[in-house]
Amino acid sequence: GENVEQHPSTLSVQEGDSAVIKCTYSDSASNYFPWYKQELGKRPQLIIDIRSNVGEKKDQRIAVTLNKTAKHFSLHITETQPEDSAVYFCAARIRGGADGLTFGKGTHLIIQP
Amino acid sequence: DTAVSQTPKYLVTQMGNDKSIKCEQNLGHDTMYWYKQDSKKFLKIMFSYNNKELIINETVPNRFSPKSPDKAHLNLHINSLELGDSAVYFCASGSPSGNTIYFGEGSWLTVV
Repeated sequence: GENVEQHPSTLSVQEGDSAVIKCTYSDSASNYFPWYKQELGKRPQLIIDIRSNVGEKKDQRIAVTLNKTAKHFSLHITETQPEDSAVYFCAARIRGGADGLTFGKGTHLIIQP
Repeated sequence: DTAVSQTPKYLVTQMGNDKSIKCEQNLGHDTMYWYKQDSKKFLKIMFSYNNKELIINETVPNRFSPKSPDKAHLNLHINSLELGDSAVYFCASGSPSGNTIYFGEGSWLTVV
């Protein structure tokens, strides 16, 4: 089955700086890569996603890049703010429909004032 | 309107008891899931149902039994609860395009 590795497990950045979280996946058939943000005590919420036919996608301060050849994808957050502090999960999915997401182990992002 | 709702939100129970968690989605999705999040925050899929039919059953003890009376509901019943079952259980549903998955608010299960 699919295996998703995520790094780092904890990332501390100064407010206003950029943060980058990286993930690799094992199954080249994976074609959908979402990122979820989970605040303490809350549900994971989708913040951005990318499909395998696209190399990069941007939404305001967040962007995701995908390298299919290397089987890795990254989340970039620019101009970080205190409300960006949370656990971020990458995930990968094969095909679609009833197949669930395979998640990375999460990155605890800490924004220091 | 809550898109994916699950009850109860908090559940404290003794070892050996049987408990159920209910989940409902009003998004019109065909697919519903149960995920378990352990104390280390790792999210792992347990079950997937598509139109009331079981699709994925990961390595989960058979004390866990999902039931889908219709495609808008997926309940999770757990028999003979053990200490290691303590976790947050998230219900989720998937969009018809088969990509985006939306999570419920989670059910915090504590077994004492």
